[in-house]
Amino acid sequence: QVQLQESGPGLVKPSQTLSLTCTVSGGSINSGGYYWSWIRQHPGKGLEWIGYIYYTANTYYNPSLKSRVTISLDTSKNQFSLRLSSVTAADTAVYYCARVNHLLSDAFDIWGQGTMVTVSS
Amino acid sequence: ETVLTQSPATLSLSPGERATLSCRASQSVSDYLAWYQQKPGQAPRLLIYAASNRATGIPARFSGRGSGTDFTLTISSLEPEDSAVYYCHQRYKWPLTFGGGTKVEIK
Repeated sequence: QVQLQESGPGLVKPSQTLSLTCTVSGGSINSGGYYWSWIRQHPGKGLEWIGYIYYTANTYYNPSLKSRVTISLDTSKNQFSLRLSSVTAADTAVYYCARVNHLLSDAFDIWGQGTMVTVSS
Repeated sequence: ETVLTQSPATLSLSPGERATLSCRASQSVSDYLAWYQQKPGQAPRLLIYAASNRATGIPARFSGRGSGTDFTLTISSLEPEDSAVYYCHQRYKWPLTFGGGTKVEIK
């Protein structure tokens, strides 16, 4: 079955760029019908959608983060990535990658385990 | 932005009791409403999609209903393993949003 796994630095300095990668196994990222998404959760708080990308490389971002976010695909590695620039302590959160399934009314049906990113000098 | 308001914030019930969780949208989201369960230290898990459809492997005690602005997740007979935070989510209106969550505690 399809599995997702986040990877990347757990500590990022303020004003720098946060970079995370999600590796998809058990299925192709090139499959139509799915969007590949990033979601974050601040400590002890709820969920915030960051954005997603389709296999055509079309991207959709949360307007609240759009100026700082880039999501990209690497189909050769079956991965997609998140870059969040100019980070502050407010970007400290658990970051999840997740699959959006169009057949399930665009619900997030598969999630990675999440990776904690702390922004601190 | 479509705000999803979940109530109550916390629900404390005994095993075997019925839990009713509410999610109210600030504008219509048709039936593009999903529910997720999140246990401590774990990623969310999809329970319900399109307001009333159980995801694969989800026990029949979980059910969802509603459309437009008012939605309900019901757990018909609570099991100890149902202790978690439950989130609703809409994808009908841009941007995608989540509710603030309801914590279900098992006495």
